[in-house]
Amino acid sequence: QSVLTQPPSVSLASGQKVTISCSGSSSNIGNNYVSWYQQLPGTAPKLLIWENNQRPSGIPDRFSGSKSGTSATLAITGLQTGDEADYYCATWDNSLSAWVFGGGTKLTVL
Amino acid sequence: EVQLVESGGVVVPPGGSLRLSCAASGFTFNDYTMHWVRQAPGKGLEWVSLISWDGRTTNYAESVKGRFTISRDNSKNSLYLQMNSLRIEETALYYCVKDRALGYCSGGLCLGFEYWGQGTLVTVSS
Repeated sequence: QSVLTQPPSVSLASGQKVTISCSGSSSNIGNNYVSWYQQLPGTAPKLLIWENNQRPSGIPDRFSGSKSGTSATLAITGLQTGDEADYYCATWDNSLSAWVFGGGTKLTVL
Repeated sequence: EVQLVESGGVVVPPGGSLRLSCAASGFTFNDYTMHWVRQAPGKGLEWVSLISWDGRTTNYAESVKGRFTISRDNSKNSLYLQMNSLRIEETALYYCVKDRALGYCSGGLCLGFEYWGQGTLVTVSS
């Protein structure tokens, strides 16, 4: 059972907007930055969002992140078939003194 | 171009030991905290350990404390993970990862996993 809770899967049609939630507590999300990762099938994860809402260069502005209290959200607009992947949130947990990941969300674009 | 190339993954029996290596290039290695993250087959990501740029600060997941040791050699642009008393459930792809934060960071001061290698597969099996 992951410290951070994500929905296991989401499915939406091409062109739509999806939001993926990441729920934690005051020992992790509530007091630390959240980052998000995309893992395409058979590849290493890629950083999408850091410091809650910052995009690395090369990441399209269709991807955005936000945080409120002990939850964070990744939003993807204008869904494309190429966005089909597993998405993970991550942050530092002050109680565990460890980085923790969400269980991952599998995105299917219909 | 940042490159992280892991090596050392093999089949090892339960209770065995193994040392993973990661060769880094394309950035100033001794400016960054480095991590190991693993992924069991068909499962999610699990952070294993981090080491600060100077090697003075290390953190470990509870599950590996006392058995795994992270280290680095800045003169060789290399990161290592010594794994002892390996367990079957530690079969996984082990990734070498560069943190985004420039300079010293540890724990919550780090900014996330910026660049990932392709991973090296460790199989613990009798």
